[in-house]
Amino acid sequence: DADVTQTPRNRITKTGKRIMLECSQTKGHDRMYWYRQDPGLGLRLIYYSFDVKDINKGEISDGYSVSRQAQAKFSLSLESAIPNQTALYFCATSDATSGSYNEQFFGPGTRLTVL
Amino acid sequence: GESVGLHLPTLSVQEGDNSIINCAYSNSASDYFIWYKQESGKGPQFIIDIRSNMDKRQGQRVTVLLNKTVKHLSLQIAATQPGDSAVYFCAERDRGSTLGRLYFGRGTQLTVWP
Repeated sequence: DADVTQTPRNRITKTGKRIMLECSQTKGHDRMYWYRQDPGLGLRLIYYSFDVKDINKGEISDGYSVSRQAQAKFSLSLESAIPNQTALYFCATSDATSGSYNEQFFGPGTRLTVL
Repeated sequence: GESVGLHLPTLSVQEGDNSIINCAYSNSASDYFIWYKQESGKGPQFIIDIRSNMDKRQGQRVTVLLNKTVKHLSLQIAATQPGDSAVYFCAERDRGSTLGRLYFGRGTQLTVWP
């Protein structure tokens, strides 16, 4: 969905490096999410945010941190990247007040490789 | 915790045939379900959703069926086309979830051959 953008789209880094993945949305949604996708495992939730002052851990938050700089921006950081964090990362948004209940809109993904 | 899974990891169908993709869930408190389609190199895209007070919902060429008795969800695609080739995920929401949190299944790879 073009309304949810992620940068970078691809990133190769080395073990121990700090990496930040950024997500921006123009949908005006209050809720934002970060997921990780690994082959055969589907989407797993890393962190989610209800609004700018609200941050919550998901299923697999260890090794990750997030920052909700504004309603439209939600960044994911890997403090010290390790090879098993190699995965496809997706940002998503949803609107608590819309009639679509809980539909989440996904960005195009960031492919991260940790060597 | 919730468990959302798919019966088959892969499904191959001939163009023009109907496709049925299945999903089982274990959380009886789930009140909302979504099917997503993910094409190669892209993020998941919404296909259709259904609330737990319904047992069937139709969209354009797609139908979702919900059987709460056996906790089973299915996605039917009519007249499957090559452009339908993708990974399909079901997702569920626990009615107790205050942040719209969804739980995703592992996905089924649908391949359409001519």
